[in-house]
Amino acid sequence: DQQVKQNSPSLSVQEGRISILNCDYTNSMFDYFLWYKKYPAEGPTFLISISSIKDKNEDGRFTVFLNKSAKHLSLHIVPSQPGDSAVYFCAASPIQGAQKLVFGQGTRLTINP
Amino acid sequence: DAGVIQSPRHEVTEMGQEVTLRCKPISGHNSLFWYRQTMMRGLELLIYFNNNVPIDDSGMPEDRFSAKMPNASFSTLKIQPSEPRDSAVYFCASSVGQGLNEKLFFGSGTQLSVL
Repeated sequence: DQQVKQNSPSLSVQEGRISILNCDYTNSMFDYFLWYKKYPAEGPTFLISISSIKDKNEDGRFTVFLNKSAKHLSLHIVPSQPGDSAVYFCAASPIQGAQKLVFGQGTRLTINP
Repeated sequence: DAGVIQSPRHEVTEMGQEVTLRCKPISGHNSLFWYRQTMMRGLELLIYFNNNVPIDDSGMPEDRFSAKMPNASFSTLKIQPSEPRDSAVYFCASSVGQGLNEKLFFGSGTQLSVL
């Protein structure tokens, strides 16, 4: 059973516009959430995280929103740039640490010039 | 820092053969993780070690899979015998400490193809 779901395998956005990547989770024990970014032939790299005590965390062009009641989080990228083209993984953990991270399937984001 | 180093980058083998994947974590990191990436399930945790000791291997799919960490700078993931359904990208990752702001650092992965 997939506890963390990214229902959109791919997303295409025009350069300069907003990219919104979505993630749903089923385990109410999750209280720490992360986004990882992966380029081809490379391993995933950490992008941004949020604790369940917050509903928003911002880092430059990247903002993560958390809706605990809906068990939903989203990653907003504004403005989108060609270098943002990558696969984005959502991950969740019942504790604030790496040992119990559960990842989603990933969403391939393509930014068109 | 060279980051997490995995070898080989690509492995093509025939069904029934033994496959060994290797990982060198970042120096000073005390936790090491093996993940498998597939299209259907994304990144799945297979096993992780703290201070060279296996902590949770509940993600290891079958007894055909085994992992060792003989010292703080080396780990292996072995599949014996391999099957076509094992074809995937296998990632090794390491981290330091626990708790606030702990992050995983991934290697570049091993692309395994079992024919």
